[in-house]
Amino acid sequence: TQLLEQSPQFLSIQEGENLTVYCNSSSVFSSLQWYRQEPGEGPVLLVTVVTGGEVKKLKRLTFQFGDARKDSSLHITAAQTGDTGLYLCAGARDGTASKLTFGTGTRLQVTL
Amino acid sequence: DADVTQTPRNRITKTGKRIMLECSQTKGHDRMYWYRQDPGLGLRLIYYSFDVKDINKGEISDGYSVSRQAQAKFSLSLESAIPNQTALYFCATSDLTGKGTDTQYFGPGTRLTVL
Repeated sequence: TQLLEQSPQFLSIQEGENLTVYCNSSSVFSSLQWYRQEPGEGPVLLVTVVTGGEVKKLKRLTFQFGDARKDSSLHITAAQTGDTGLYLCAGARDGTASKLTFGTGTRLQVTL
Repeated sequence: DADVTQTPRNRITKTGKRIMLECSQTKGHDRMYWYRQDPGLGLRLIYYSFDVKDINKGEISDGYSVSRQAQAKFSLSLESAIPNQTALYFCATSDLTGKGTDTQYFGPGTRLTVL
């Protein structure tokens, strides 16, 4: 059973556009992480959010954790070709985020 | 040098063969994990180990076994490989920091094909 659904599954945009990726669940998570994975490599952690309603910014990326801690979003402003990759959300039910449930993934392609 | 290494990087094998995937880390972390990745399904946890004497089943452990030979080494075995075990396999490590949540560090992956 996939507990974390991401949308959209695929996204192809031009450089300079804005985009939002959603991560939704019917379950409550104690924390939620976002990873980016590039071809031939393992996922790399971008951010961890732990408080309902929390917003974190990482340069042009804005991450939000839903008030009920069941969903999250990733917004990219003025996308660049270097943002291309597979974005994965991952939720943890234990307080340490040691055991993660990963989302289905959003593949982003940014072109010139 | 990479902190988390996996060998082999690619492997093609036949149904019924025994396969071992190896993971080594130089990060000094106690916690190690094995995941498999399939298109459209994200990563799913196979086994995890919080220290050398601790082994736990994950979400999809059937058909797999693991061995934690040392703090730095965690291997995954497929005793009798089957085609639906064709996937990308990742090893990861983590250590509980003072901030309260783990950061998992992934290896580069092993692409396994079972014919």
